[in-house]
Amino acid sequence: EAGVTQFPSHSVIEKGQTVTLRCDPISGHDNLYWYRRVMGKEIKFLLHFVKESKQDESGMPNNRFLAERTGGTYSTLKVQPAELEDSGVYFCASSQTGGAHNEQFFGPGTRLTVL
Amino acid sequence: GIQVEQSPPDLILQEGANSTLRCNFSDSVNNLQWFHQNPWGQLINLFYIPSGTKQNGRLSATTVATERYSLLYISSSQTTDSGVYFCAVADSGGYNKLIFGAGTRLAVHP
Repeated sequence: EAGVTQFPSHSVIEKGQTVTLRCDPISGHDNLYWYRRVMGKEIKFLLHFVKESKQDESGMPNNRFLAERTGGTYSTLKVQPAELEDSGVYFCASSQTGGAHNEQFFGPGTRLTVL
Repeated sequence: GIQVEQSPPDLILQEGANSTLRCNFSDSVNNLQWFHQNPWGQLINLFYIPSGTKQNGRLSATTVATERYSLLYISSSQTTDSGVYFCAVADSGGYNKLIFGAGTRLAVHP
């Protein structure tokens, strides 16, 4: 069974540009999460989808970040316009629902560098 | 919100030594996971352990939910165990968003 995949693995952009990150969860996982780790800080929650609906977006830093999960399969996270402080590693995770199915499985991350 | 503290922040071992990593959390949880971040930055699942004890090879973990802590034991450490170990929890009232500790950085020398 394939794990969580993310694309691209690395992205280098200039301040003010737009970047779109993609996450493909494990097949059959209704829950999809985005997290990020910016330089020197802890891994922080961004938002949580259940199927195509946003369940919790309390961690989204500002309106320059837009996440979508059309059709309840893969998800995209767009940063527009990117700022220097957005540099870091963006992780995606997925899980099933309920009980032991709460375990989250993480993708390899996308390393974003904003110059 | 729930607070997660990991100790020690850094740990240096000789190959073959045993170690214990600790995770304290400030409220009741319905999810607790241990991860190993390898040198390539990937988060590898070690244990899903909101309560009880589990073992997987040289690694084992115990969570005492009533006392709000979890321990990760590494026995007979190997150089490949090096990296950062994260504890992450989700509180009982939320939607399972994980709150991460700052991690324990482990270096195992031959």
